[in-house]
Amino acid sequence: NAGVMQNPRHLVRRRGQEARLRCSPMKGHSHVYWYRQLPEEGLKFMVYLQKENIIDESGMPKERFSAEFPKEGPSILRIQQVVRGDSAAYFCASSPSRDVFMDTQYFGPGTRLTVL
Amino acid sequence: RKEVEQDPGPFNVPEGATVAFNCTYSNSASQSFFWYRQDCRKEPKLLMSVYSSGNEDGRFTAQLNRASQYISLLIRDSKLSDSATYLCVVNHSGGYQKVTFGIGTKLQVIP
Repeated sequence: NAGVMQNPRHLVRRRGQEARLRCSPMKGHSHVYWYRQLPEEGLKFMVYLQKENIIDESGMPKERFSAEFPKEGPSILRIQQVVRGDSAAYFCASSPSRDVFMDTQYFGPGTRLTVL
Repeated sequence: RKEVEQDPGPFNVPEGATVAFNCTYSNSASQSFFWYRQDCRKEPKLLMSVYSSGNEDGRFTAQLNRASQYISLLIRDSKLSDSATYLCVVNHSGGYQKVTFGIGTKLQVIP
């Protein structure tokens, strides 16, 4: 049973370009969470999605950032017109259900975005 | 006040030592608690859940104090391989796993 997969693992973009980060949850998991970890900081929640639905995007910057989790295929975090401050590690996590007491989140290896 | 607070460290301890980390949380309605471990430039991995009655897994013991709103992690007989950052994670509930991560406490075990 493969774990959470993210690609690419490393992504370099110039200011103004678009970044697309992909996340395939663990088999059987229908809940996906995106987090951002800035250098020397903790993980910050960005968005929570289920298939075809954004449930909570309260942690997403209002502009330039969007996320989706289509019926088929991976979840995608899209950052338009990247700026240097977007350089960070972006982690995706998945969980099998909404049971907040028993389940936990399993993390992918992350995508390290560097904006030049 | 931050939702989840941890001392970032670093804690430098000799092999074989016992070390304890605390983490405080501000939301009294928080439902569940976890300790994760994160190695340098890697993803966080679940170390253990923290139960109200306290729980132990080998050399690791986790405690929860709801009255004082903190959780703790005790590591006995530290190994070099324990060197990592330990993240305190608090689940506020709200219908799904709305979790907040602490900044993490860095542990360096020295030979």
